[in-house]
Amino acid sequence: DTEVTQTPKHLVMGMTNKKSLKCEQHMGHRAMYWYKQKAKKPPELMFVYSYEKLSINESVPSRFSPECPNSSLLNLHLHALQPEDSALYLCASSQRNPYQETQYFGPGTRLLVL
Amino acid sequence: SQQGEEDPQALSIQEGENATMNCSYKTSINNLQWYRQNSGRGLVHLILIRSNEREKHSGRLRVTLDTSKKSSSLLITASRAADTASYFCATDEEGGSEKLVFGKGTKLTVNP
Repeated sequence: DTEVTQTPKHLVMGMTNKKSLKCEQHMGHRAMYWYKQKAKKPPELMFVYSYEKLSINESVPSRFSPECPNSSLLNLHLHALQPEDSALYLCASSQRNPYQETQYFGPGTRLLVL
Repeated sequence: SQQGEEDPQALSIQEGENATMNCSYKTSINNLQWYRQNSGRGLVHLILIRSNEREKHSGRLRVTLDTSKKSSSLLITASRAADTASYFCATDEEGGSEKLVFGKGTKLTVNP
């Protein structure tokens, strides 16, 4: 199984809502990532979890809150987002070493903030 | 911060032709990767080339790396309409953080 799954595929939320994005992999990978991608732009790293511990936070606003409940799951909790947060949110995983190995990406969650 | 910069930004070719995309980067690296992204979808890993390698092949893909010029190229031979996608190079930073930094990407259109 070389698949990273993400739910939901699409999400529309108001600025006062609280929602969560979910990501799951069953490849035994110990590094997991959240990226944000705006239209016609490259993915931008938000967070890296390595062995279930947050190892990188790219100065992301606190309205984004990551969580890694176990080695297979990664959540991104959203609260009080702004319209400019509308984007494709991509989850990825890699075996162990974040920058020396292939990253496997999920299909993404397309988020629209109204 | 952006590490890789692809060239050209957009490329349109006919089916059967070869497509070449280039990537330049700024700092020393441990490896360079190429990814493909179909419109609005997740990225798919194509190939990883390490800093001590000069060329790598995978099917119709050929990647070269010139660390003296801090550049890489991706060649897709005998292109197909299904190759239509955006292609990104991604690099780490030697001795730097754990993150992978993506270039701006090349939008390839292969016309049938």
